[in-house]
Amino acid sequence: KAGVTQTPRYLIKTRGQQVTLSCSPISGHRSVSWYQQTPGQGLQFLFEYFSETQRNKGNFPGRFSGRQFSNSRSEMNVSTLELGDSALYLCASSPRDGRETQYFGPGTRLLVL
Amino acid sequence: AQSVTQLGSHVSVSEGALVLLRCNYSSSVPPYLFWYVQYPNQGLQLLLKYTSAATLVKGINGFEAEFKKSETSFHLTKPSAHMSDAAEYFCAAPKRGGGADGLTFGKGTHLIIQP
Repeated sequence: KAGVTQTPRYLIKTRGQQVTLSCSPISGHRSVSWYQQTPGQGLQFLFEYFSETQRNKGNFPGRFSGRQFSNSRSEMNVSTLELGDSALYLCASSPRDGRETQYFGPGTRLLVL
Repeated sequence: AQSVTQLGSHVSVSEGALVLLRCNYSSSVPPYLFWYVQYPNQGLQLLLKYTSAATLVKGINGFEAEFKKSETSFHLTKPSAHMSDAAEYFCAAPKRGGGADGLTFGKGTHLIIQP
């Protein structure tokens, strides 16, 4: 089976812009979770989607949002980018929910200038 | 809420020596515990997973971890380090006992292998 794929792999944006990141889970996996990884804060849970519904959300401002499509592919959007949003954004999929083994994609590295 | 603590942000061992990376969980016994490895510019790869079926869990690349309830620990070991083991290692557990709200990760331990 193909693994989790994320596009784009690298992205440079400026403050105030918005960005959309994409994630395709492993075939058959219905749960998709997003994480932000920074040197200072480590890995932090953003949100989890299952069957097109957001089931849980981490402690992030409303500028961070996401959605999931009927084929389980997911996107996350960050509006009004801030310098502190520079990070590696990781997508992970699992068969049913985010407590199970999660399989991670390679991540999208976002740099905000 | 569950939290995970990894002792030592950096661990340095010689090639061929024992690797020991420490992880402690904070609250009630979690249903799962994980160790992941991250190589530079890559995502996280699952090393092994504890599911309560066995306290000693064997993973990939010669790694294993032992769950000790009395010590609230899930330390990762490998008998003989290879240069290719140099990477960042993360311990993780479900955030809460119920509810699908993702994993909580330790801060990570950077493993350095000295030739």
